[in-house]
Amino acid sequence: KAGVTQTPRYLIKTRGQQVTLSCSPISGHRSVSWYQQTPGQGLQFLFEYFSETQRNKGNFPGRFSGRQFSNSRSEMNVSTLELGDSALYLCASSLGGTVKNEQYFGPGTRLTVT
Amino acid sequence: GQSLEQPSEVTAVEGAIVQINCTYQTSGFYGLSWYQQHDGGAPTFLSYNALDGLEETGRFSSFLSRSDSYGYLLLQELQMKDSASYFCAVRDTVNRDDKIIFGKGTRLHILP
Repeated sequence: KAGVTQTPRYLIKTRGQQVTLSCSPISGHRSVSWYQQTPGQGLQFLFEYFSETQRNKGNFPGRFSGRQFSNSRSEMNVSTLELGDSALYLCASSLGGTVKNEQYFGPGTRLTVT
Repeated sequence: GQSLEQPSEVTAVEGAIVQINCTYQTSGFYGLSWYQQHDGGAPTFLSYNALDGLEETGRFSSFLSRSDSYGYLLLQELQMKDSASYFCAVRDTVNRDDKIIFGKGTRLHILP
């Protein structure tokens, strides 16, 4: 079974631009969560989608948004990029509908904002 | 507030045993998980404890005490490939807002 894939793997953007990241979950997984990882803050939860609906949201500004499609693929968008948005963005998929925290992570997208 | 505390770094010798602790403060609680992340890699799931006690998976064991809001990951027969960062995580529910919260990670250094 193929793992979680994320595209692109690396991205360089300029402050003020916007960016869209893509995540394809493991086949059959209906839940996709997004995380921002930085050296100082660790893994911070952005949002979770389940069956095309945003189920939960972390404490990030409205510049961060996402969506999920009917095939469970998900995208996240960051508008008006700031230098502090430079980070590794990870998505994780799970079957959903369970409190077990087992998630399968993709390799991440390394975003650099200059 | 919601928080997970774990040591930032731990050093151990190859072949030895090491314990990585995690204390949590959450409004709700639905189990404690552990993830491993090698440099440049993605986090991978190691274990999950919903009930008190010890769960063993090969060289790795994880323990939970809900009354103490505390858990640990135990790694035995350490190998150089175990050098990585280890994260504890909990699923918390506050005001119907359900999310997984991660600790900031423990960097495990293994000496030959």
